[in-house]
Amino acid sequence: DQQVKQNSPSLSVQEGRISILNCDYTNSMFDYFLWYKKYPAEGPTFLISISSIKDKNEDGRFTVFLNKSAKHLSLHIVPSQPGDSAVYFCAASLPMEYGNKLVFGAGTILRVKS
Amino acid sequence: DAGVTQSPTHLIKTRGQQVTLRCSPKSGHDTVSWYQQALGQGPQFIFQYYEEEERQRGNFPDRFSGHQFPNYSSELNVNALLLGDSALYLCASSLGFRGQSSYEQYFGPGTRLTVT
Repeated sequence: DQQVKQNSPSLSVQEGRISILNCDYTNSMFDYFLWYKKYPAEGPTFLISISSIKDKNEDGRFTVFLNKSAKHLSLHIVPSQPGDSAVYFCAASLPMEYGNKLVFGAGTILRVKS
Repeated sequence: DAGVTQSPTHLIKTRGQQVTLRCSPKSGHDTVSWYQQALGQGPQFIFQYYEEEERQRGNFPDRFSGHQFPNYSSELNVNALLLGDSALYLCASSLGFRGQSSYEQYFGPGTRLTVT
């Protein structure tokens, strides 16, 4: 039962352009969403998060959008840089009373070409 | 500021053996979660420890067990290893079991376990 899905295994973008990574979820009880970035031989690094009460959160070049009615979130990276090349994981969490385990998608490999 | 550390980095075991993986949380964090990441997949939640107790558990058999020590470090034990247990095992730490800060988990580099 894959509750968090990242349907694009990979994405290739030119340096300076926008990267858009997508994530869909099925459990309407999720109330907090996070994006992690992972380089080879390293653990996932927290990137940006959004609460279900918001529809947008921005941090520098990174913006996450949440569409609760569609159960969809996306991560926008503008402008994309070669150093952004990594695997990006979308993760979701249930409300606090159910604990805070993270449910991850399978990841999207982003390649930024210079 | 020390981040999450894990040991060993790599490990090769034979089917049926037992293994212990170790994790030290980020300075100031008191909650440790363990994840298994198979090749080509996202991390899957194994269990979480807070105040030396297992607070949550994912869909993993009892062969997977853990422990948290008073200094917040943690161990993951896997008994009767199967070939399918080969994976990257990630430890993540966070502050508190509930509250906003508990959502944002910081990961270590992982331990690569190979079962032959």
